[in-house]
Amino acid sequence: GQNIDQPTEMTATEGAIVQINCTYQTSGFNGLFWYQQHAGEAPTFLSYNVLDGLEEKGRFSSFLSRSKGYSYLLLKELQMKDSASYLCAVLDSNYQLIWGAGTKLIIKP
Amino acid sequence: NAGVTQTPKFRVLKTGQSMTLLCAQDMNHEYMYWYRQDPGMGLRLIHYSVGEGTTAKGEVPDGYNVSRLKKKKQNFLLGLESAAPSQTSVYFCASTPGAESDTQYFGPGTRLTVL
Repeated sequence: GQNIDQPTEMTATEGAIVQINCTYQTSGFNGLFWYQQHAGEAPTFLSYNVLDGLEEKGRFSSFLSRSKGYSYLLLKELQMKDSASYLCAVLDSNYQLIWGAGTKLIIKP
Repeated sequence: NAGVTQTPKFRVLKTGQSMTLLCAQDMNHEYMYWYRQDPGMGLRLIHYSVGEGTTAKGEVPDGYNVSRLKKKKQNFLLGLESAAPSQTSVYFCASTPGAESDTQYFGPGTRLTVL
């Protein structure tokens, strides 16, 4: 079966750095997405990785290792507004998006 | 641009009642999707459409029907013919410009409770 694993919840301090991991086992791979979802709101796009390596976008970076079936989202200089759920999703060989359950990130002052 | 809109935002149904959720997008996107989101689970695809007049089943299609009319391709309707408590969920509509690898743009969601 297809599976995406990410931690259920993480806590970090304002101003710090946090890394949210995602491991996947899917039938094929055509890219990996990270989305942010604030409570009660819709998911919004953060990043897309299809090749190995690190993609940096401001305070957010996303890393992919296809051989290890692994990705992480790195958030720097954490702000209170970063408190949200972070969803990892993989595009499989049929170009269907398989979603992880999400990681709830709690930022403390 | 309003982006992706959904109506209604909230709805309470009794078991056995029917209803239709409306999704509309003004970005001329070809692909549209209906998901449900339940606590502790990832988004699950119910049905999707890769163009006007076409629909296909996703991961959890049972109990739902969809419609994407040729003359109103910006709309994607999700119907529940006979609601069940197991269909209590938050429903999200999304759209992408074309290829499946494009970013998905989500609507604000509909919170449905079936008693």
